Amino acid sequence: DAKTTQPPSMDCAEGRAANLPCNHSTISGNEYVYWYRQIHSQGPQYIIHGLKNNETNEMASLIITEDRKSSTLILPHATLRDTAVYYCIVDTAPDSGGYQKVTFGTGTKLQVIP
Amino acid sequence: ETGVTQSPTHLIKTRGQQVTLRCSSQSGHNTVSWYQQALGQGPQFIFQYYREEENGRGNFPPRFSGLQFPNYSSELNVNALELDDSALYLCASSFGPQETQYFGPGTRLTVL
Repeated sequence: DAKTTQPPSMDCAEGRAANLPCNHSTISGNEYVYWYRQIHSQGPQYIIHGLKNNETNEMASLIITEDRKSSTLILPHATLRDTAVYYCIVDTAPDSGGYQKVTFGTGTKLQVIP
Repeated sequence: ETGVTQSPTHLIKTRGQQVTLRCSSQSGHNTVSWYQQALGQGPQFIFQYYREEENGRGNFPPRFSGLQFPNYSSELNVNALELDDSALYLCASSFGPQETQYFGPGTRLTVL
């Protein structure tokens, strides 16, 4: 079972910041938070991941609360091409042994509106 | 640098048949994971291959099997196809078993 809770859907105006929340209250100390998105009928696209510090890359920013029980993915200037299902996933850290199997939940369907 | 590629893009089979799906990993990646995504659901982990060995498996029956080749490409084989096997099959590659996974476009399998 997925270890995360996300709202099923959200709308965002084009050009505005999209803030996608995720609850992961049972996250353990060695688990990372990953975000992927899936545009209709395509393979999931990796966005960003983090452990406890905020992270930023060319696609998005990831804000993780101090207690690590929740996080927010921020798309700073949403475009129509950002319309997709966004998945928040917690998974084992690199070098923790074993393997990483990405356990997807149902995600948040983000609709960017013109 | 080429990304993850999968073939074929679409496939139609009948119940009881066997199917083989193929995946070429991203350059430099040595690990391949396979996922099944039913309509309206998130992808479900099938198994992972690392250094030509199965490195982990999800809750799928033995009729789902795989191979990884020395060039790190991979095949997913499904025997005795059932109607519920109709889904998008996704392949993801990574630099190692615990590293970030990058997904291919998927193969849409329809079982009639």
